[in-house]
Amino acid sequence: QKEVEQDPGPLSVPEGAIVSLNCTYSNSAFQYFMWYRQYSRKGPELLMYTYSSGNKEDGRFTAQVDKSSKYISLFIRDSQPSDSATYLCASGSGGYNKLIFGAGTRLAVHP
Amino acid sequence: EAGVTQSPTHLIKTRGQQATLRCSPISGHTSVYWYQQALGLGLQFLLWYDEGEERNRGNFPPRFSGRQFPNYSSELNVNALELEDSALYLCASSRDRGNSNQPQHFGDGTRLSIL
Repeated sequence: QKEVEQDPGPLSVPEGAIVSLNCTYSNSAFQYFMWYRQYSRKGPELLMYTYSSGNKEDGRFTAQVDKSSKYISLFIRDSQPSDSATYLCASGSGGYNKLIFGAGTRLAVHP
Repeated sequence: EAGVTQSPTHLIKTRGQQATLRCSPISGHTSVYWYQQALGLGLQFLLWYDEGEERNRGNFPPRFSGRQFPNYSSELNVNALELEDSALYLCASSRDRGNSNQPQHFGDGTRLSIL
């Protein structure tokens, strides 16, 4: 079992939809959680990061961590075609510099 | 503020050759990380350097090595290249070391192709 599991998709949604991206993790010691967005032929771009559990909101993006179920979510409201990318979740226990990445979920938002 | 820069963008080598990839971190960042992103495998952690020293190493053979210079830039060296080394190699940097509360920021990578 991988330490961080992520459905590879692809996930296809119409413009304006609410998108839910999810990951599960196996190590209960994980305290650091991050979401990156990666466009084709580019490096991952940091979207959001949180410590421990709870919600964090930034514009159209909301990150949610449920430590009881070891579940990490990223919600995108009013999705746009420019949101089409691969979304990577990551988590770890020893700080943000010791992260395990999921395989990434490909998202396509069509007009 | 300039982001993480990597060079070259693309590198084509043949089996058995050696490759050198370079990374310049964001100004003020002391930690540099290297990852391999092979098709369908996600990001695999390779190496972490901080203050010129190797702090952690992923599950890769010794022919993957690197170093960090006094100006915090870094090199990744891959010896005796094999076909399965073909991948996107990503460099990331962060501000602090140890149990850092600062996230990693990535460059756009070097695409290494082995013929």
